[in-house]
Amino acid sequence: EAGVTQSPRYAVLQEGQAVSFWCDPISGHDTLYWYQQPRDQGPQLLVYFRDEAVIDNSQLPSDRFSAVRPKGTNSTLKIQSAKQGDTATYLCASSRQGYNNQAPLFGEGTRLSVL
Amino acid sequence: GQQVQQSPASLVLQEGENAELQCNFSTSLNSMQWFYQRPGGSLVSLFYNPSGTKQSGRLTSTTVIKERRSSLHISSSQTTDSGTYLCAMELDQGGRALIFGTGTTVSVSP
Repeated sequence: EAGVTQSPRYAVLQEGQAVSFWCDPISGHDTLYWYQQPRDQGPQLLVYFRDEAVIDNSQLPSDRFSAVRPKGTNSTLKIQSAKQGDTATYLCASSRQGYNNQAPLFGEGTRLSVL
Repeated sequence: GQQVQQSPASLVLQEGENAELQCNFSTSLNSMQWFYQRPGGSLVSLFYNPSGTKQSGRLTSTTVIKERRSSLHISSSQTTDSGTYLCAMELDQGGRALIFGTGTTVSVSP
């Protein structure tokens, strides 16, 4: 079974530039999560979806960040105007509702550096 | 404030030594999980442990819900155990969205 796939693996930007991250969850997983992990910190939830619906985006900086999952499968996270404080690894994870004893499965992440 | 506190922040071990990692929660616990992460690597689930004790090889996880704490015990540490250990609690029942601690970085030398 293929794991959660993320691309690109790395991105380096100047402040003010835009960037998009892409995530392909595990087939059959209805729930998809985006986390931001600054260096030497634990991951912090940005947004999560069940199918195509946003369940919680309260931690997503809405002025510059956006996330979509239009068909309930793949998802895109976009930063409109990156800041140095956005430097972090962006992790995507997926899970299937109802499988209560299974942890979400994580992708390898996209490591973003904003100069 | 921080809802999930992990201690210690870092740990240095000699191969063969045991270690105990702690996780404390400031709110009622829905469920909790332990993950392992290598530098630059993705998170690998170690335990999904809502309560009680679970063991997998040299790792043992114990969760005491009413005391809002969980621990991860590493016995007979090996150099391959080096990395960061993260505990996380579920944000809401059934949602699987997680609140993570800041992690414990473990370094095991031969």
